[in-house]
Amino acid sequence: GENVEQHPSTLSVQEGDSAVIKCTYSDSASNYFPWYKQELGKRPQLIIDIRSNVGEKKDQRIAVTLNKTAKHFSLHITETQPEDSAVYFCAAILDQAGTALIFGKGTTLSVSS
Amino acid sequence: GAVVSQHPSWVICKSGTSVKIECRSLDFQATTMFWYRQFPKQSLMLMATSNEGSKATYEQGVEKDKFLINHASLTLSTLTVTSAHPEDSSFYICSARASAAEAFFGQGTRLTVV
Repeated sequence: GENVEQHPSTLSVQEGDSAVIKCTYSDSASNYFPWYKQELGKRPQLIIDIRSNVGEKKDQRIAVTLNKTAKHFSLHITETQPEDSAVYFCAAILDQAGTALIFGKGTTLSVSS
Repeated sequence: GAVVSQHPSWVICKSGTSVKIECRSLDFQATTMFWYRQFPKQSLMLMATSNEGSKATYEQGVEKDKFLINHASLTLSTLTVTSAHPEDSSFYICSARASAAEAFFGQGTRLTVV
């Protein structure tokens, strides 16, 4: 089955700096890679996703890159703000009926002002 | 986006009792729902895949007789933690996918077994 590795486990940045979180996956058949933000005690919220036919996707301050050959994908947050502080999870999945998201171990991002 | 509702949001129960958690898809039909467990400061670990009208598929190491899953309709899946013990205390969260790949999550249930 799929296995997702995520690094770093914690990341502290100053407000305005950029943050990068990296993930690798094991199953070359996976074709959908979402990133979730989870605040304490709450449900994960999708912040951006990318499919395997695209190398990069951007949404305002957030971008995701995908390298299918190397089987890794990264989340980039620019101009970080204190409200970006949360736990971020990457996931990978083969997009077909009945398949479950497999999550990385998460990255706790702390943005200090 | 699609809405998944989970109830209760928190529950405290005595050791040895059973607790039922409900997960509903409010505006779409979910043939498949997924149950995850999340311990403090850890990731979401898939427990089982709930299939409407058939038996659930459990991940390795998850006791099917302890975590009973029922998916009797296209909008409702339930997880019953039987004979709960303190080590079952965790955050349980369900998920469903409407059509495309995006997964929607319930609010989660904080279970505390005392």
